[in-house]
Amino acid sequence: KNEVEQSPQNLTAQEGEFITINCSYSVGISALHWLQQHPGGGIVSLFMLSSGKKKHGRLIATINIQEKHSSLHITASHPRDSAVYICAVRPTGNQFYFGTGTSLTVIP
Amino acid sequence: SAVISQKPSRDICQRGTSLTIQCQVDSQVTMMFWYRQQPGQSLTLIATANQGSEATYESGFVIDKFPISRPNLTFSTLTVSNMSPEDSSIYLCSGTDRLNTEAFFGQGTRLTVV
Repeated sequence: KNEVEQSPQNLTAQEGEFITINCSYSVGISALHWLQQHPGGGIVSLFMLSSGKKKHGRLIATINIQEKHSSLHITASHPRDSAVYICAVRPTGNQFYFGTGTSLTVIP
Repeated sequence: SAVISQKPSRDICQRGTSLTIQCQVDSQVTMMFWYRQQPGQSLTLIATANQGSEATYESGFVIDKFPISRPNLTFSTLTVSNMSPEDSSIYLCSGTDRLNTEAFFGQGTRLTVV
């Protein structure tokens, strides 16, 4: 059983579309991260959430602790947003559990 | 927030050789972790790097294959020993701050063993 489930696994969008990636988890957590993994493998942390909502540029992340669910939204998507987006949760210990990722392709 | 510099970003290695991956943090972090992502899989914890003592390994990972060092609070290395093609993966380090409120990630190392 995977503690973290992401959907969809793959997503193709036209440039300019609004994109939503979902993450559900089954454990109590102290924090949730959204990571971006580039085609070359490099990983960047986009957000850390423990409650509510955060916005950075065209990216918005929300979390509902009671429902154990988080969403990552991309507004006005662009081909450079093409990457794998990974949800990672941290229970009250220190290690992370990772989702399998959502592969996003934005077509010009 | 801390920044973790991970090197190398990628490498292609011959089977039977070893590769050491380094993570340097620009400030002190309490905990450091090493993860592996095999092709098509999610990231999996290899071990917790403990400062000044032996790392704590997860089930399925052993020190002889993945020796880890952490001489201080800002630096850690992971060695992939006696590599085989099955070791071809992305390896990632992460750390948590002293208050355990934030986590930071290296950029990852893409390893290909031929």
